[in-house]
Parts: sequence; C-alpha cells; structure tokens
Amino acid sequence: ETGVTQSPTHLIKTRGQQVTLRCSSQSGHNTVSWYQQALGQGPQFIFQYYREEENGRGNFPPRFSGLQFPNYSSELNVNALELDDSALYLCASSFGPPVKDEQYFGPGTRLTVT
Amino acid sequence: GDSVTQMEGPVTLSEEAFLTINCTYTATGYPSLFWYVQYPGEGLQLLLKATKADDKGSNKGFEATYRKETTSFHLEKGSVQVSDSAVYFCALIFSNAGGTSYGKLTFGQGTILTVHP
Repeated sequence: ETGVTQSPTHLIKTRGQQVTLRCSSQSGHNTVSWYQQALGQGPQFIFQYYREEENGRGNFPPRFSGLQFPNYSSELNVNALELDDSALYLCASSFGPPVKDEQYFGPGTRLTVT
Repeated sequence: GDSVTQMEGPVTLSEEAFLTINCTYTATGYPSLFWYVQYPGEGLQLLLKATKADDKGSNKGFEATYRKETTSFHLEKGSVQVSDSAVYFCALIFSNAGGTSYGKLTFGQGTILTVHP
C-alpha cells in the first residue's frame, strides 16, 4: 500500500510569485484535504477535494486554489505569495465523504517566501 | 465554532515517567477525536482515535478516553521512552447526528514532549 506523497519537499519563492504544490493520495483514497501549518502552530484546514470538486473550505483567501485529478491526486496553487504564506503545507487523504474517520498525512512541503 | 485546547507546553520528562497531555474540546454535534504525533521534520502520524463517547483509543502504549461529560480526550502513557519525543496534536472532526461531515480536522496548538534518558 502506497502512502501519501508530496512534492517538492522544500521550495523557496519570492513575494508576489505563484507556487504549485502536488499531492498523491494513499492507494484506495478518493478525498484529499490540504492544511497549512505555520511554525509552532497546529495545522489549519485550507480546503478539501472529493470527486474533483471542492468539498469544503477553511478561512483562506481565493488566491489559495486547488485541483483534484481523476486519479485522485491533487494540486494546491497559491497566487501572489505573501511572507505570511511561509509554512509547512500538508496534504491528507481519506476515503469519503462523509469523512468522520482518520486522515492520513504526507510528509509536507516546506514553503519559504522571501 | 469547533475548537481544541491543549495543555500549555513544553513537557519534559525522564524516561519511564508517566505522561499526561490534557485536551479539551468545544463542538456541537458528535465529533470524532484524534491524537496525531509529529516527529522532527516529518508530517503527522495518526496515533489513536475515538469516534463516540466512552470509547478508548490505544496504540503503542498510549491511551485516551472520549469523555463527553467533561469534553475531554486526555492522552496518557504509563512509561515514556526517549523515542516518544515529538509534538503531539489533539484534533477533532465534527459530524452531525446523521454522521455526515466534510472531514475538516480542527487541531489544538500542539504539545512538545521531550524525554531524557
């Protein structure tokens, strides 16, 4: 069974640029959720994708957008990067919805905005 | 809205000491409760879960009981090891009476545990 994978591992961008992060879900999972974890904080929910559609969104501006593909992999896109976007971005997969059970996390992508 | 509050940290213990990390939550409906662990430089790993009141989740010597009356889900381990040093997160997923949810995990702020030999 293949776990959740994310790419790239680390990324450095300049303020105002755009970035795309990628996630492959665990085998058999059809739902992908994205979280932002600032240094020293708990992860914050960005949004969730199910059947290639956004299925819920946290308190993040529209410049955070995503996609889910037919193979259930997903992308997180962030436009007009700001310094506060520097964080660890975590992808989690699960089978659902409704999703009341556990989500399985990837290792994350560390984004630094300078 | 839903929220999770963890005890203030960090926590520093000697090997074989007893561990308790407190977690309380605020949620309407019937949340599922989780403990995740994050080792340095890694993502989150599910440690244990409980999906209804009075359930006890357990894994690798860690335990937590879902207490609806006190809205708590405290993490305990009888004898910690150096390898348990990590950040521990309490989290919940809200669901309504019908069990539907879009699966947003709400996390506490995390508790850093350091275990010395």
